[in-house]
Amino acid sequence: NAGVTQTPKFQVLKTGQSMTLQCAQDMNHNSMYWYRQDPGMGLRLIYYSASEGTTDKGEVPNGYNVSRLNKREFSLRLESAAPSQTSVYFCASRSENEKLFFGSGTQLSVL
Amino acid sequence: GQSLEQPSEVTAVEGAIVQINCTYQTSGFYGLSWYQQHDGGAPTFLSYNALDGLEETGRFSSFLSRSDSYGYLLLQELQMKDSASYFCAVRDRTAGNKLTFGGGTRVLVKP
Repeated sequence: NAGVTQTPKFQVLKTGQSMTLQCAQDMNHNSMYWYRQDPGMGLRLIYYSASEGTTDKGEVPNGYNVSRLNKREFSLRLESAAPSQTSVYFCASRSENEKLFFGSGTQLSVL
Repeated sequence: GQSLEQPSEVTAVEGAIVQINCTYQTSGFYGLSWYQQHDGGAPTFLSYNALDGLEETGRFSSFLSRSDSYGYLLLQELQMKDSASYFCAVRDRTAGNKLTFGGGTRVLVKP
């Protein structure tokens, strides 16, 4: 039982490059989330998905797109990376008893 | 929208008790959660309150007052390993499964 698996762990991009962060959970959860965390700050919600086939914007969606490919997988795409998107990204899934389970995070630097 | 307020930092000595307050504003409160995050790690779930009152889990307890839009996390018998950031989070029933975090409280435990 791996929980929430998030890849890659580290990534360096040049401004304007694109990339996709992958996230998969094996706990059969309906709800999944993408957050970003800047140094010394809280977690800000980028996008979330209540169930397979649905996605909704969070607090800071600009510059990102998401895909809920199936119940297990929820990916985050940066189409044209900007230095302001340098951050640590966390994927999470939520259990029915309200626990969020987080992946180990992706440290992204945009030069 | 949703907003959560919590103190930015608290310092205490080993064996002491620390209370971290969280006030929130949300249009359709569903429940209040608490998470712990050590430096360089992912957040981990501590507790969840949907109803008024105190929930106790070992040395940690969490309290909720829905009428006051207020909750707190109580850390007892502080240990060095409790040095971490603590986040409150609310789920808003009017915004589906949107789950918003506060800015976090950094707890520093001194010998």
